Amino acid sequence: QITLKESGPTLVKPTQTLTLTCTFSGFSLSTSGVGVGWIRQPPGKALEWLALIYWDDDKRYSPSLKSRLTITKDTSKNQVVLTMTNMDPVDTATYYCAHDQGVHWGQGTLVTVSS
Amino acid sequence: DIQMTQSPSSLSASVGDRVTITCQASQDISNYLNWYQQKPGKAPKLLIYDASNLETGVPSRFSGSGSGTDFTFTISSLQPEDIATYYCQQYDNLLWTFGQGTKVEIK
Repeated sequence: QITLKESGPTLVKPTQTLTLTCTFSGFSLSTSGVGVGWIRQPPGKALEWLALIYWDDDKRYSPSLKSRLTITKDTSKNQVVLTMTNMDPVDTATYYCAHDQGVHWGQGTLVTVSS
Repeated sequence: DIQMTQSPSSLSASVGDRVTITCQASQDISNYLNWYQQKPGKAPKLLIYDASNLETGVPSRFSGSGSGTDFTFTISSLQPEDIATYYCQQYDNLLWTFGQGTKVEIK
């Protein structure tokens, strides 16, 4: 059974760096072809893809946010970490992590950016 | 980067109606397209993968078609439990893009 769960701060201040962790089970990021992605959704708005990391450490980023994002993995801990720098109130959203095939998603975590 | 244009942004239909949503890619994405259903407060649920393949356990009234740049998602007979927002998502070249979503309501 595959599960994913996001964790991190619920509130960050403008200009701060956000660090989110996706802890997963039921699969390994050392298995060929496997990837984990991050997606966000501002309240009442559409889904927006942020980043992907694959078993071979191949990393892909949304072109519009690439300069602010870093995605890493810790295979031994079954975790994927996303950092986003220079947070702004427009970055307020529910942040999801998902297995790259799209079937399995975390429950999401709401991050509010406010002073 | 590839843009996805999804339409309509919302629709209202009666129970039993046939509902169609379209998604157009800004360039050829072959069949690298998923369709998701999202209900309020929940994570998206994968319904269709590779443009036309029904995910396991998804009712057969849901279907998808298309390739290249033009794609269609259909609910053959709308049910009350289908009230949700639907998104297309392309995954060509290991980069993802979501459509803007279609909110489906019951008339």
